[in-house]
Amino acid sequence: AQTVTQSQPEMSVQEAETVTLSCTYDTSESNYYLFWYKQPPSRQMILVIRQEAYKQQNATENRFSVNFQKAAKSFSLKISDSQLGDTAMYFCAFRIAGGTSYGKLTFGQGTILTVHP
Amino acid sequence: KAGVTQTPRYLIKTRGQQVTLSCSPISGHRSVSWYQQTPGQGLQFLFEYFSETQRNKGNFPGRFSGRQFSNSRSEMNVSTLELGDSALYLCASSLHRDSHTEAFFGQGTRLTVV
Repeated sequence: AQTVTQSQPEMSVQEAETVTLSCTYDTSESNYYLFWYKQPPSRQMILVIRQEAYKQQNATENRFSVNFQKAAKSFSLKISDSQLGDTAMYFCAFRIAGGTSYGKLTFGQGTILTVHP
Repeated sequence: KAGVTQTPRYLIKTRGQQVTLSCSPISGHRSVSWYQQTPGQGLQFLFEYFSETQRNKGNFPGRFSGRQFSNSRSEMNVSTLELGDSALYLCASSLHRDSHTEAFFGQGTRLTVV
């Protein structure tokens, strides 16, 4: 079974500063995908960034980047130049590639991020 | 392009009743997954449907069931409701069955069991 752990229940950051959210996972699979999702107060989950386990290069999407350490099973999210609109719950998620798991995403417990003006 | 639509947005039911939640995926998407979100347990996978077939199921009792129609719309049913079933139920749709494709989520249905 796969598990995803987010050890920071809450984080806060000042506007324009940088913040890093932590995520570790446990799996015996070698091929998988990792995701960071954002859930603002509107409740709609939005994909922030995706990383394929077979790629060594860390994914980046504008102000969002990840630090993927496969051996350590670590997948942290860095948000640069934080904006008020980044305030949300952030979830780290894991999905096995192929096999019978199909659409199943395994989520961490989430980190509430608050950006202060 | 319209997003994933879940109806109703809010629902209040009494213990012992049953409830049906609906999810309309993005046009062209054939995979629909359901998740239960609670403060205590977080986000937990319920089941996934592709082309009207359930392909994967989470660890939930048989009171939780679902189905998918030929137009890819999906329904989730919970029978004999318990207080612990109070949660936000999220639906996600994907274009393909492949695990790398992005899952797009709806805004959820907030179910309260009293």
